[in-house]
Amino acid sequence: DGGITQSPKYLFRKEGQNVTLSCEQNLNHDAMYWYRQDPGQGLRLIYYSQIVNDFQKGDIAEGYSVSREKKESFPLTVTSAQKNPTAFYLCASSILPTGEIFNEQFFGPGTRLTVL
Amino acid sequence: AQKITQTQPGMFVQEKEAVTLDCTYDTSDPSYGLFWYKQPSSGEMIFLIYQGSYDQQNATEGRYSLNFQKARKSANLVISASQLGDSAMYFCAMKSGGYNKLIFGAGTRLAVHP
Repeated sequence: DGGITQSPKYLFRKEGQNVTLSCEQNLNHDAMYWYRQDPGQGLRLIYYSQIVNDFQKGDIAEGYSVSREKKESFPLTVTSAQKNPTAFYLCASSILPTGEIFNEQFFGPGTRLTVL
Repeated sequence: AQKITQTQPGMFVQEKEAVTLDCTYDTSDPSYGLFWYKQPSSGEMIFLIYQGSYDQQNATEGRYSLNFQKARKSANLVISASQLGDSAMYFCAMKSGGYNKLIFGAGTRLAVHP
C-alpha cells in the first residue's frame, strides 16, 4: 500500500544528543515536509523540500537539519542546539504545488520525541 | 501576515446531532486554499475537506461540509449526524501563495457523547 512511514514511533533522547527521525514515502511525491506539534497546539513547519538535494527552512528551523538525497526519504535531525525538542513530529508529502490546483498533504503517523 | 484562528478550544455534541467548528483566516493573497484535518488520539492527520478561494460552491464530502464565507474570511466545518468516532482534534489550515506551506490553527477538540 502507498503511504508514509515514520520511525520510530517513540524516541527518547538525553540532553545534548543529536537524534534523527526517519520519514519514507512511496507515493512518488516530489514535495516533503516536516512539522512540529506541541501539546494543545497546531502544527508548525520546520523544513520542506520540493526536489531532491534541495530544501527550504520553514517557520521554526533553528536547531534542526534535513537532507533529501532520495525522492522517497526526508530524514530530520534534531540537534543539541534545539532548546526544547520534546514534541510530536509529523512528516508529510504532496505532489508539487501548482498554483490553485488542489494538492493535499498526506501525513505519516508521527514520532513522539521526549528529551530526558 | 497569514493566520488561521480557531476560537473554540473544545466542543461537545450529542451523537447524531450536527456540529459546526469555526475557522477564520487572514491572507492578502487572492488565491488560497483552506483545508480541514482530523487528528484522532493516535496522532495521524486525516484530510477531510478542501475549499479553494475561487470555488463558487461550498465543498462537501459525505457528512462533512464547509461553510465558506469569503467576505467574512471564514471557513467553518459542519459535521452532520455526529458519530462517536468523530471525537478527535480538528484543525483548519490554509495554503496561499505559490508554495504548499500549510498554516494551521490551534485546533478544536470535539467530544461526541452518546
